[in-house]
Amino acid sequence: GEDVEQSLFLSVREGDSSVINCTYTDSSSTYLYWYKQEPGAGLQLLTYIFSNMDMKQDQRLTVLLNKKDKHLSLRIADTQTGDSAIYFCAESISSASKIIFGSGTRLSIRP
Amino acid sequence: GAVVSQHPSRVICKSGTSVKIECRSLDFQATTMFWYRQFPKQSLMLMATSNEGSKATYEQGVEKDKFLINHASLTLSTLTVTSAHPEDSSFYICSARGAGGTDTQYFGPGTRLTVL
Repeated sequence: GEDVEQSLFLSVREGDSSVINCTYTDSSSTYLYWYKQEPGAGLQLLTYIFSNMDMKQDQRLTVLLNKKDKHLSLRIADTQTGDSAIYFCAESISSASKIIFGSGTRLSIRP
Repeated sequence: GAVVSQHPSRVICKSGTSVKIECRSLDFQATTMFWYRQFPKQSLMLMATSNEGSKATYEQGVEKDKFLINHASLTLSTLTVTSAHPEDSSFYICSARGAGGTDTQYFGPGTRLTVL
């Protein structure tokens, strides 16, 4: 079946790195995504990784993909208060032409 | 690029009335648009997928006569909540996918529907 799981909460100190983890079940996923949702807003695409890649870095964001373990992570370096949001992991199911979302991880930043 | 807008951003209506929500891709042509529903502190639930010029594909458990979807052009899809009831109150988010190869969906800002 199709399932994406994430922990619900993460709290980090400002300036530290945040690591948000995600596991998925469908081995045929072609793309995996990280979206950010701020309160009362839609989803903002942060980054995505093709399933044949292991790592992708974009400024403060680093995505690691372990396809064998079906594990995806998002690392945010030097976490700032503006990074407070809910982060959704998602996988594309090409056979069904849709994206399956995880439950979202609420990232809170403490001073 | 890849901007998606929704209108209205917030709507309050009386029970029994119908509400139409528009989703537009502003700077690209969206061959496929998606409609999601999000309950407070929960993830997105896919309601339906619509392809321009054809009937929408609804997910299991979503009433197609209740949630009417029209994707009349490559830049516009509409969701009409018919005979709305308080349990239809939710945050409705649309997304659009262009004709690229990444399956990436770009999301609108969402519409908060409150049915009294």
